[in-house]
Amino acid sequence: GAGVSQTPSNKVTEKGKYVELRCDPISGHTALYWYRQSLGQGPEFLIYFQGTGAADDSGLPNDRFFAVRPEGSVSTLKIQRTERGDSAVYLCASSQSNYEQYFGPGTRLTVT
Amino acid sequence: QQPVQSPQAVILREGEDAVINCSSSKALYSVHWYRQKHGEAPVFLMILLKGGEQKGHDKISASFNEKKQQSSLYLTASQLSYSGTYFCGTLLLYSSASKIIFGSGTRLSIRP
Repeated sequence: GAGVSQTPSNKVTEKGKYVELRCDPISGHTALYWYRQSLGQGPEFLIYFQGTGAADDSGLPNDRFFAVRPEGSVSTLKIQRTERGDSAVYLCASSQSNYEQYFGPGTRLTVT
Repeated sequence: QQPVQSPQAVILREGEDAVINCSSSKALYSVHWYRQKHGEAPVFLMILLKGGEQKGHDKISASFNEKKQQSSLYLTASQLSYSGTYFCGTLLLYSSASKIIFGSGTRLSIRP
């Protein structure tokens, strides 16, 4: 079956611009997670959705970051006024429970 | 809160064994192990839920010592396909949501 998909796979943007990153979870998975991964590091938790609501957004670094999941399926991570330090691979994962998380291929964001 | 993994990197010859350790400063509800190959998404290996629980997956097994707040991943008779970076993720005992915190990883290289 189809796994988690993320678009775009690569995004290059200029400092100060706005970007949107999209995640399509596995059908039926109620839990959705966003992570950020820098080179040589493990995935860093950003936000967790259970259904349509953000159950835990404590990992969002500041108010430039925002995520939505309006219909409980597709999620969009939005970053305003991008900074060079935002450059990383943004990973999305979905899950049916607290157990196995299925990760998408990620979006590599480069802020120039 | 980030779990500490050791060693940071391991180089093995095919057929050799390895142990990767993961320790937390806080009480744990569960430990999750993932493997990530270069340029790919992390892939779930196993989850350990109870203190003292051990699990196996092919020639990869893991243990969870709840008292010591640590887990170990054992790779036996390593194969070339085992190469990659191994991450442990911990779910804290008193966490209100399913927020998994990942360690910084152990890079495993297998040589023929």
